[in-house]
Amino acid sequence: QQQVKQSPQSLIVQKGGISIINCAYENTAFDYFPWYQQFPGKGPALLIAIRPDVSEKKEGRFTISFNKSAKQFSLHIMDSQPGDSATYFCAAEGYALNFGKGTSLLVTP
Amino acid sequence: KAGVTQTPRYLIKTRGQQVTLSCSPISGHRSVSWYQQTPGQGLQFLFEYFSETQRNKGNFPGRFSGRQFSNSRSEMNVSTLELGDSALYLCASSLTGTGGYEQYFGPGTRLTVT
Repeated sequence: QQQVKQSPQSLIVQKGGISIINCAYENTAFDYFPWYQQFPGKGPALLIAIRPDVSEKKEGRFTISFNKSAKQFSLHIMDSQPGDSATYFCAAEGYALNFGKGTSLLVTP
Repeated sequence: KAGVTQTPRYLIKTRGQQVTLSCSPISGHRSVSWYQQTPGQGLQFLFEYFSETQRNKGNFPGRFSGRQFSNSRSEMNVSTLELGDSALYLCASSLTGTGGYEQYFGPGTRLTVT
């Protein structure tokens, strides 16, 4: 069963806009929540990660918001750029990474 | 520092054959995990090796196996290939595995089973 649910499946944002991707999990034993970015023909690359004792983490244009009580977390990409067009995966770590199904982001010029 | 390397990058096999994929982790990393990526199922955990021992295993049949060598390099083997085994196989290396340590993925091996 899918332990991490991710939405939306695809997203189109204009250059300069905000991209928002949401994830939800069930297992409260998960204790590490990374986001990965994947370009075609490449492996996933770690973008940013958060632990459940922190509600928000920001690195440059990328921010993770984490709501432990709701078991939800989200990725915000500020000032989205065409170079951000990629597939984004959220994950939750137990004894391994449990990935969401991915969000295909297209940033239009 | 060199990244995670995987060989071969592309592979075409026939149903019923077996295949071996190789992964060289980042220098100093002792944990190697393998994942299968398909359009339908997404990224799914196969197994993790740490110091030559399988530490965790995902929900895959016994046809999928792996091993890790003393230099941390890892191989995975799939026997009696099925059409459904066509996928991108990714390995990820980290210092010690789970516990919030960053996992770095290789470019993957694209396996096509005909």
